Amino acid sequence: EPEVTQTPSHQVTQMGQEVILRCVPISNHLYFYWYRQILGQKVEFLVSFYNNEISEKSEIFDDQFSVERPDGSNFTLKIRSTKLEDSAMYFCATLRGAHQETQYFGPGTRLLVL
Amino acid sequence: AQTVTQSQPEMSVQEAETVTLSCTYDTSESNYYLFWYKQPPSRQMILVIRQEAYKQQNATENRFSVNFQKAAKSFSLKISDSQLGDTAMYFCAFMNNNNDMRFGAGTRLTVKP
Repeated sequence: EPEVTQTPSHQVTQMGQEVILRCVPISNHLYFYWYRQILGQKVEFLVSFYNNEISEKSEIFDDQFSVERPDGSNFTLKIRSTKLEDSAMYFCATLRGAHQETQYFGPGTRLLVL
Repeated sequence: AQTVTQSQPEMSVQEAETVTLSCTYDTSESNYYLFWYKQPPSRQMILVIRQEAYKQQNATENRFSVNFQKAAKSFSLKISDSQLGDTAMYFCAFMNNNNDMRFGAGTRLTVKP
């Protein structure tokens, strides 16, 4: 069964550094999402992406964050200058079509900012 | 904006018994999807069950079933014959017409031997 994959599984970075989290969606999926989960807290929506542009973003998704799908396969989340509070699990999710189907989640990237 | 409320931060159940996790939501939309996701210690998000709001029949997946009360905006998850492997965080989620999904705060379920 096709799966969403994410790399890296873990990343440790220094405060102020840039990080790029990568997601490979299921091949025929058209809608892409990033979520964040701070340890012990709920899963929070960051951004949705369709047709090579952002569909919606939350208040968390400020100017330090950006997303793109540069090569038509990888879907990336960039944090330009990481802060301590960016430490969290970041999940990518993808959805096939526009008919309210199921979002499939990747295994997540655990980001630790020191 | 849609909100999802899970009022039980933690629950426990004896192995082989039945447990019900509650979830309520708030929306003005008439068509939407509801989900329960399981998050084991590995922290992967695993889909347990989903319910289309336009369907009156409650969804069932093996030992997992839901009690969907649309008028009350309630969507509880029943786990029958609980197994040790069911120990996890369970998140209720709401997805609107734009495919935007929001999660509840989660319920930590412990199945005791």
